[in-house]
Amino acid sequence: AQSVTQLDSQVPVFEEAPVELRCNYSSSVSVYLFWYVQYPNQGLQLLLKYLSGSTLVESINGFEAEFNKSQTSFHLRKPSVHISDTAEYFCAVTSNPGDKVIFGPGTSLSVIP
Amino acid sequence: DTGVSQDPRHKITKRGQNVTFRCDPISEHNRLYWYRQTLGQGPEFLTYFQNEAQLEKSRLLSDRFSAERPKGSFSTLEIQRTEQGDSAMYLCASSLGTGELFFGEGSRLTVL
Repeated sequence: AQSVTQLDSQVPVFEEAPVELRCNYSSSVSVYLFWYVQYPNQGLQLLLKYLSGSTLVESINGFEAEFNKSQTSFHLRKPSVHISDTAEYFCAVTSNPGDKVIFGPGTSLSVIP
Repeated sequence: DTGVSQDPRHKITKRGQNVTFRCDPISEHNRLYWYRQTLGQGPEFLTYFQNEAQLEKSRLLSDRFSAERPKGSFSTLEIQRTEQGDSAMYLCASSLGTGELFFGEGSRLTVL
């Protein structure tokens, strides 16, 4: 069975500081990895995904994540956060695009002015 | 806008009553998913469909929960004999099977 661990439930960080949100997964088969974001009072939306190819993937708003198979990790990073990045971030995994997606418990990122 | 829509957005019911939620996916999406989310937790998988076929249902899901997608378009999630522990946000998502899920804004259930 697949599972996702996000060890940090809350991450406060000052504006313009770097941030890393940790994600580890367990799976006995191939994995496809995602980060979803939920802004206050909005629905979940995809931030970035790893399906194949380069292990480093980027979002349009400056986040990046790196798939590390040996460490079974898919940590999310941003070199300089903005107030608007305040949100819940969920790491997710599936064994096959289109099949069920398993989500982690989420990390609440709070950017402090 | 042709995003995923869910109805009702909020439902308050008494314990023991039945409730039904509806989800209208993005029109060309063949896959439809139901999740449940409680405060401070990530979405918990309930079930998903490819067209009208229900491909998987969570083993954690009580027999009081049933979902249908009769014509491969909209879907309904019914909860019979509701319990206070059913109080949660029920999320619907759809996809083309490429991995990206498009979520609706959810249906919040409160069981008194």
